[in-house]
Amino acid sequence: NAGVTQTPKFQVLKTGQSMTLQCAQDMNHNSMYWYRQDPGMGLRLIYYSASEGTTDKGEVPNGYNVSRLNKREFSLRLESAAPSQTSVYFCASCEDRDTYEQYFGPGTRLTVT
Amino acid sequence: KQEVTQIPAALSVPEGENLVLNCSFTDSAIYNLQWFRQDPGKGLTSLLLIQSSQREQTSGRLNASLDKSSGRSTLYIAASQPGDSATYLCAVKSSSGGSNYKLTFGKGTLLTVNP
Repeated sequence: NAGVTQTPKFQVLKTGQSMTLQCAQDMNHNSMYWYRQDPGMGLRLIYYSASEGTTDKGEVPNGYNVSRLNKREFSLRLESAAPSQTSVYFCASCEDRDTYEQYFGPGTRLTVT
Repeated sequence: KQEVTQIPAALSVPEGENLVLNCSFTDSAIYNLQWFRQDPGKGLTSLLLIQSSQREQTSGRLNASLDKSSGRSTLYIAASQPGDSATYLCAVKSSSGGSNYKLTFGKGTLLTVNP
């Protein structure tokens, strides 16, 4: 039982390049989330998916797209990376029957130069 | 819009001291409140989750309380150890305004426990 896994752990991009961050969970959770964490800003929600086939915008969705590929996987895509997207990205999934407790992945550190 | 504030932003204590971290939130219509620990360069580890109907939760040396009406939660750490050094984050899951799936985070308290 790996919980929430993310790939890659680190990535450096040049401005304008694109990439996809991958996330998978093995806890059979319906809900999944993408956050970014920046110094002094805390964690902010980018997108979330309440169930397979649905996605919704969070606080800071501009410049990102997401795909809920199946129940296990939720990917985040940067189509044209900008230096302002330099951040640590966390994926999370949520137990959605009783406690709605969220579980986080280890994060992806992205630098855009 | 829910806002979560954590005070202090940083705290340094000697080993063995009991300490309290504070979290306040502006909208009392919450489903639950979750305390996380984050070590440098790592992800978030869930410590305690308090449902809106509960007053407190305990795990080992940690005790979290919730006063929904005043919009406050505290995380009490007993007999602190150097291994407790980390950033502690408070997050609230709102139950109003169609935001049932959204966690709002505070900016965290950086705790340093000195040997």
